[in-house]
Amino acid sequence: GAVVSQHPSWVICKSGTSVKIECRSLDFQATTMFWYRQFPKQSLMLMATSNEGSKATYEQGVEKDKFLINHASLTLSTLTVTSAHPEDSSFYICSPGQGSYGYTFGSGTRLTVV
Amino acid sequence: QKEVEQDPGPLSVPEGAIVSLNCTYSNSAFQYFMWYRQYSRKGPELLMYTYSSGNKEDGRFTAQVDKSSKYISLFIRDSQPSDSATYLCAMRNNNDMRFGAGTRLTVKP
Repeated sequence: GAVVSQHPSWVICKSGTSVKIECRSLDFQATTMFWYRQFPKQSLMLMATSNEGSKATYEQGVEKDKFLINHASLTLSTLTVTSAHPEDSSFYICSPGQGSYGYTFGSGTRLTVV
Repeated sequence: QKEVEQDPGPLSVPEGAIVSLNCTYSNSAFQYFMWYRQYSRKGPELLMYTYSSGNKEDGRFTAQVDKSSKYISLFIRDSQPSDSATYLCAMRNNNDMRFGAGTRLTVKP
């Protein structure tokens, strides 16, 4: 149980474009989804928490207009990196946040902005 | 002081060795304690989780929690080259989750 599918696994985009990352819960309903960012050789840093049917909450220092989060259904949460810049290149990972399922992570998306 | 402290290593051991990985923390409100294994460019994979102080064993892995000392450990017995990865400790109170920096482990054949 608690299978999370994250897509794409790797994306390269040009500076100034937008990229959408999807996180789907395959065998359960996720009312909450945590989005993390991980730079090389560093730990996971929480960026924001998406909640189904309501606005996401963002951690201090994370630009909500740049990292758009949508949680329109109980099985899908998306993170869109808008007007991407090279410094946004990172590894983005989602994790559902309820009960025992809070322990599972997506497979991650490696974003490279050139 | 960071909320969760973990030595980033790197740690290199010969195959068959016993590996000890540790984290300390400062927030006594943490209730759940986890160890994740992360291979390069992959999402973290849950190895062990515990709710209270004590030991929990699963195959070659043993997780130990000492809440009085705010100290958790992961032991890997008979380490294998396939155990080479980064190991992250994590702890949470409700939905507030914190991670260690991760220890990079290499097991040499």
